[in-house]
Amino acid sequence: DAGVIQSPRHEVTEMGQEVTLRCKPISGHDYLFWYRQTMMRGLELLIYFNNNVPIDDSGMPEDRFSAKMPNASFSTLKIQPSEPRDSAVYFCASSLNQGQPQHFGDGTRLSIL
Amino acid sequence: SQQGEEDPQALSIQEGENATMNCSYKTSINNLQWYRQNSGRGLVHLILIRSNEREKHSGRLRVTLDTSKKSSSLLITASRAADTASYFCATDAGYSTLTFGKGTMLLVSP
Repeated sequence: DAGVIQSPRHEVTEMGQEVTLRCKPISGHDYLFWYRQTMMRGLELLIYFNNNVPIDDSGMPEDRFSAKMPNASFSTLKIQPSEPRDSAVYFCASSLNQGQPQHFGDGTRLSIL
Repeated sequence: SQQGEEDPQALSIQEGENATMNCSYKTSINNLQWYRQNSGRGLVHLILIRSNEREKHSGRLRVTLDTSKKSSSLLITASRAADTASYFCATDAGYSTLTFGKGTMLLVSP
């Protein structure tokens, strides 16, 4: 079975540009999570969806961040405008049910210059 | 705030030795999970232990859970160079999400 697929794997862009990260969860998983990982703050939950509906976005750092899940097989995380402090590795994960093991993609390494 | 805190932050051992990592948490949990992260990759689920379980095994992995002390340990026996990675504990407190610690970096030298 295919795992969680994220694209792009790497993104380098200039401050002020819009960035869109993409995620395809594992088929049949009802939960989708977006995380950000940095050395300083570790792994932070940004937002999660249940059956395509955003449930908790309290981890989204600012209004510059937005996430959508238009259908069960696709989600996006958008940053507009981007800033250097947004540089991090962004992970998408999915799980069958709440509290169950999460399956992570290999992340998008984002660098904002 | 971080629910799980791993200890030590870093661990360096020789191949063949055992590696023990600890995790402490603060609130009641439904289950506790351990994950591994290789450099440049996503986290991979290793093992889940429920709050009513005290010990669980999976291959060379042994996990213990002490809910009275709010702590867990992960033992990797007969370590290999391929076990080099960061290891994270994550707690399920019943809120649909997991809370991850900052991890233990394990280096296994040949």
